[in-house]
Amino acid sequence: QVQLVESGGGLVKPGGSLRLSCTASGFTFSDFYMSWIRQAPGKGLEWVSRISKSGDSIYYADSVKGRFTVSRDNAKNSLYLQMNSLRAEDTAVYYCARYVAALDYWGQGALVTVSS
Amino acid sequence: DIVMTQTPLSLSVTPGQPASISCKSSQSLLQSDGNTYLYWYLQKPGQPPQLLIYEVSKRFSGVPDRFSGSGSGTDFTLKISRVEPEDVGVYYCMQSTQPQLTFGGGTKVDLK
Repeated sequence: QVQLVESGGGLVKPGGSLRLSCTASGFTFSDFYMSWIRQAPGKGLEWVSRISKSGDSIYYADSVKGRFTVSRDNAKNSLYLQMNSLRAEDTAVYYCARYVAALDYWGQGALVTVSS
Repeated sequence: DIVMTQTPLSLSVTPGQPASISCKSSQSLLQSDGNTYLYWYLQKPGQPPQLLIYEVSKRFSGVPDRFSGSGSGTDFTLKISRVEPEDVGVYYCMQSTQPQLTFGGGTKVDLK
């Protein structure tokens, strides 16, 4: 069965950096686009980024453009989100999801807290 | 970016009764390939969102047939024919017509 497991969340100070990972299993990772979505505490869903199968096509939300970088390692079945210059408003649960136009499978999420 | 607007914000439903949620997009979601990339998700308390409906009206694997989606262009509706206790949570619509995906603000459904 499809499984997505995020890791790397935690507490970071404003201006700091953090790298999230998402490890996939149960499907051929290299055959699928992937996406990151976040949810601030008590708020709705916000799409963050999307990466193509080979990583040659990437899109970001305006709110993170220039600060976040998405990448993937198909040999390791892994998706990454490098987050720099973090702000308090980046505090959220970050989900990775498989993208087939729909976001059909989601991980359980990783909590990122940006606070001094 | 395409703005997705959901109504109502919340819904309190008697078990066994129907429920309906509206989602309107700021521009048409019909793509040149003939598909309309509109989706519905349910986020149960403490869980990630789960896909219910894809491309307006197609039920995802394992989704009960009490859930149905309809609409076209900019106006879409999710209907639950008979609400069950396990249907409580927040429902979101989402578009992927543009590369920058956008979600509606969510509709919280609980039981009376």
